[in-house]
Amino acid sequence: EAGVTQFPSHSVIEKGQTVTLRCDPISGHDNLYWYRRVMGKEIKFLLHFVKESKQDESGMPNNRFLAERTGGTYSTLKVQPAELEDSGVYFCASSQTGKYGYTFGSGTRLTVV
Amino acid sequence: GQSLEQPSEVTAVEGAIVQINCTYQTSGFYGLSWYQQHDGGAPTFLSYNALDGLEETGRFSSFLSRSDSYGYLLLQELQMKDSASYFCAVRDRVSGTYKYIFGTGTRLKVLA
Repeated sequence: EAGVTQFPSHSVIEKGQTVTLRCDPISGHDNLYWYRRVMGKEIKFLLHFVKESKQDESGMPNNRFLAERTGGTYSTLKVQPAELEDSGVYFCASSQTGKYGYTFGSGTRLTVV
Repeated sequence: GQSLEQPSEVTAVEGAIVQINCTYQTSGFYGLSWYQQHDGGAPTFLSYNALDGLEETGRFSSFLSRSDSYGYLLLQELQMKDSASYFCAVRDRVSGTYKYIFGTGTRLKVLA
């Protein structure tokens, strides 16, 4: 089966610009998660979708971040406007309900300059 | 609050055994997982412990003691390809749904 795909793999944008990250989970995985790792720190939870519904967005840093999951398939994470502190690696993961392990994508490395 | 602690770096030689410890403090606990991440790659799921004791999968074993809020990952017969970052993660539950809270990771360097 195809894994979790994230696009782009790298993005360099200027402060104040907008960036949209995309995640295609494994087909049939109802659960989709976004995480972020800032240089050397923990992989921090951002939010969790079950199908198209946001179940938990307690980790979203502020209202500059907007996540959507169209039709319960792929998901996008938009940062608008980007700030320097938004730099980091954004990971997407998916899982089947009732399964303990997540399958992660390779991440999008976002650099805001 | 929630926190996980693990060593930032561990070094060992090929063929040796290494143990990576993880202590946690969480409001709710449903299990402890370990993930491996090679530089630039995706974190990959290694193991899950919901109950106390040792779980073995090939060269890797994972241990949990819920009373001590402590777990470890044991890697035996180390190989160069085991050089990677290892994250412990607590399975938590908020608003009826589960998610993982991750530690900061332990960078394992395997020397020839």
